[in-house]
Amino acid sequence: AQKVTQAQTEISVVEKEDVTLDCVYETRDTTYYLFWYKQPPSGELVFLIRRNSFDEQNEISGRYSWNFQKSTSSFNFTITASQVVDSAVYFCALSEYGFRELSFGAGTTVTVRA
Amino acid sequence: EAQVTQNPRYLITVTGKKLTVTCSQNMNHEYMSWYRQDPGLGLRQIYYSMNVEVTDKGDVPEGYKVSRKEKRNFPLILESPSPNQTSLYFCASSLDRGYEQYFGPGTRLTVT
Repeated sequence: AQKVTQAQTEISVVEKEDVTLDCVYETRDTTYYLFWYKQPPSGELVFLIRRNSFDEQNEISGRYSWNFQKSTSSFNFTITASQVVDSAVYFCALSEYGFRELSFGAGTTVTVRA
Repeated sequence: EAQVTQNPRYLITVTGKKLTVTCSQNMNHEYMSWYRQDPGLGLRQIYYSMNVEVTDKGDVPEGYKVSRKEKRNFPLILESPSPNQTSLYFCASSLDRGYEQYFGPGTRLTVT
């Protein structure tokens, strides 16, 4: 069963628009970790953020922000004032304490047009 | 420089011809993984290793083998490749599964 769902396959915005990427996860563990990774057109995978299940504080890093809500099992990612360099595939991932595997979502392709 | 290296970066082969993709990390990480990336399916874990001599199956292990004889190396072996194994493969390492993954540059494999 899919443990991480990224419902948006593709999002296209014009530069300076805000864009929010949804991530919904499924777990029975009380201890788990959530991640976001970025894959730009060059192909490498870049780590963006890690959040553990006991820390529900939202986080902001420059134009990036993350909203973690355990009540809805969501870990959404917002890019504020998007730029062309934000064009990439973004993956959400889950690591559960009781499982050794890592689960990735299918990814959301973000295209920012100038 | 902390890094994960993979070789080769590109490989075209024929059905049934055994191949190995090497993966090496220089960060003394315990946890290493192999993933394949296919359009619309995201990254799927093939095998992972918690430490030397400890390996286990991920979501899509069929047709693949791995070994972890040394902490730094985690080769992926395709004993008899088939066209459905055409994909982009990533090796990754981390302190543990709850920490950020450091990914290699990827290996584009085509099996004809």
